[in-house]
Amino acid sequence: IAGITQAPTSQILAAGRRMTLRCTQDMRHNAMYWYRQDLGLGLRLIHYSNTAGTTGKGEVPDGYSVSRANTDDFPLTLASAVPSQTSVYFCASSATRNTEAFFGQGTRLTVV
Amino acid sequence: DAKTTQPNSMESNEEEPVHLPCNHSTISGTDYIHWYRQLPSQGPEYVIHGLTSNVNNRMASLAIAEDRKSSTLILHRATLRDAAVYYCILGKNSGGSNYKLTFGKGTLLTVNP
Repeated sequence: IAGITQAPTSQILAAGRRMTLRCTQDMRHNAMYWYRQDLGLGLRLIHYSNTAGTTGKGEVPDGYSVSRANTDDFPLTLASAVPSQTSVYFCASSATRNTEAFFGQGTRLTVV
Repeated sequence: DAKTTQPNSMESNEEEPVHLPCNHSTISGTDYIHWYRQLPSQGPEYVIHGLTSNVNNRMASLAIAEDRKSSTLILHRATLRDAAVYYCILGKNSGGSNYKLTFGKGTLLTVNP
């Protein structure tokens, strides 16, 4: 089934540890996005990529890095996790600008 | 970045139409207006989007003001499954080929049986 897949579904992580959240799509979409969602704050854009090989910063990029080595994968890395990065993370993709974006089911990350 | 303003919450009765407003007074000429919704414990789901003309699809209708500074998402007959947070967002071109979707806090729609 075509779609967008995130892994892991949930994770408890010790502060200071490095963590990579995986996101893969099989729709050959050019654009991919990472959001975090916190209670009362809605969805906030962390990083985005409009095509393979390019990335851009969103609203809350600090403490996160991304790469886009190919069209299908857009991993999000926390180099040294802190408790304030406890959140639900959503990955999304869209074919081009101004088209429907598809979201993954999210990764619930708890940093303790 | 252009921002949108939506009511925090709205309430509707089942089988009645729902009009969800959104203000985007600083919209740029090339910004598209998107609507997404998020059901509990799920990722956001696309509803509809448009640029200048009103749009219809199987889920909803989008009415865009002539000056494009506001829009309204119309659910023609609300069902209990439409209870969700609805986000009005601008698909913004931010220089060159950059394009990003920036969400706000959305409107929590409650549908009463």
